Amino acid sequence: EVQLLESGGGLVQPGGSLRLSCAASGFTYGNSAMSWVRQAPGKGLDWVSAISGSGGTTFYADSVKGRFTISRDNSRNTLYLKMNSLRAEDTAVYYCAKESGTVSTPYVDYWGQGTLVTVSS
Amino acid sequence: QSVLTQPPSVSGAPGQRVTISCTGSTSNIGAHYDVQWYQQLPGTAPKLLIYANSNRPSGVPDRFSGSKSGISASLAITGLQAEDEADFYCQSYDSLLSSWVFGGGTKLTVL
Repeated sequence: EVQLLESGGGLVQPGGSLRLSCAASGFTYGNSAMSWVRQAPGKGLDWVSAISGSGGTTFYADSVKGRFTISRDNSRNTLYLKMNSLRAEDTAVYYCAKESGTVSTPYVDYWGQGTLVTVSS
Repeated sequence: QSVLTQPPSVSGAPGQRVTISCTGSTSNIGAHYDVQWYQQLPGTAPKLLIYANSNRPSGVPDRFSGSKSGISASLAITGLQAEDEADFYCQSYDSLLSSWVFGGGTKLTVL
């Protein structure tokens, strides 16, 4: 059974930093591209970042480019999202997501339960 | 605004059929990128409902079906049940943005 367990969310001041983690199990982690998708309170889904199975290729939404860094440790089956220079508009539930599909049209076949990040003074 | 446009809400009585549209452009759905649909029940994480336009993952009832034509896609739900009440999101890829794109979501109410 695929399981994705996020941690690391919490309350942070504007301009602050936070690192999210996602522990994966139930599939061959190193073979799967992974993503982070967020959802602001009462709003829709918003793709944040993706990383290839090897970790050698990363992608970012324009809204987080230069502030967020996605990475992975395939020896620990863990995905990370380091978030710097946080803004109020980054407040959201952050979902860890296992990707499937093709390079041209990836999609999420499994989602974690999410971790809430609140950016507020 | 979302890159993919969905109606904010749809509703139907138990047993009825409803459809949810998802309209994009020539840089996403119209550029032959696949469309996915996700269902998000209240207070839970999203769940994959339809992938590659019309395919159902195992465990998804055949009451749910997807289609795509031109710059639009649709999700149809037949034999509506109370437990279908949820938010539904379409998703594709946009070549101009070089980014995943989602619809704004549609809230389904079962009357």
